[in-house]
Amino acid sequence: EAGVAQSPRYKIIEKRQSVAFWCNPISGHATLYWYQQILGQGPKLLIQFQNNGVVDDSQLPKDRFSAERLKGVDSTLKIQPAKLEDSAVYLCASSLEVGGTVMTYEQYFGPGTRLTVT
Amino acid sequence: AQSVAQPEDQVNVAEGNPLTVKCTYSVSGNPYLFWYVQYPNRGLQFLLKYITGDNLVKGSYGFEAEFNKSQTSFHLKKPSALVSDSALYFCAVRAFSGSARQLTFGSGTQLTVLP
Repeated sequence: EAGVAQSPRYKIIEKRQSVAFWCNPISGHATLYWYQQILGQGPKLLIQFQNNGVVDDSQLPKDRFSAERLKGVDSTLKIQPAKLEDSAVYLCASSLEVGGTVMTYEQYFGPGTRLTVT
Repeated sequence: AQSVAQPEDQVNVAEGNPLTVKCTYSVSGNPYLFWYVQYPNRGLQFLLKYITGDNLVKGSYGFEAEFNKSQTSFHLKKPSALVSDSALYFCAVRAFSGSARQLTFGSGTQLTVLP
């Protein structure tokens, strides 16, 4: 089966500019996650969707980050305006998890988008 | 709050020798535990998970991990390392119950297998 697709793979922008990342999960996966991975650290969850609803966005900096999953399939993460500290790899993942009562399903990750803010 | 500690930033091992990558966790209640591997310029790949049952879990590429509840550890092991195992390894934990649904990752351990 096809894996999680992300684009672009690399992006360089100046601070205060805006940027958007796209993710297409594995077909049939109800849950989609966006993570931020800063160099030398493990991934940190930004937002979790179940179908087209938000399950957890407690760590999303909502003053500058936004995300949507309008039709319950692919998703877009946006940063506006970007700061230097947003330089990181943005990972999208998906899983079969539905309803939150079964949390045993592993997450499948895309290749990530490496963002450099100058 | 749940957390994961990977005490070694770097582990070096000779090819053919056994390897261990350490992980300890903190979580309320019973844990779900995972190991992922990350190769350069690629996303994380799932290796194995512990949910319940046998404390020794077997996963992909000959890796296994041992769950130790009393020591709150979930060390990753392989009997004979390959050069191709060189990569960045992440341990992750999730609570069995409660409102915490997040998968919390450790900071990663860079494994280098020397030929």
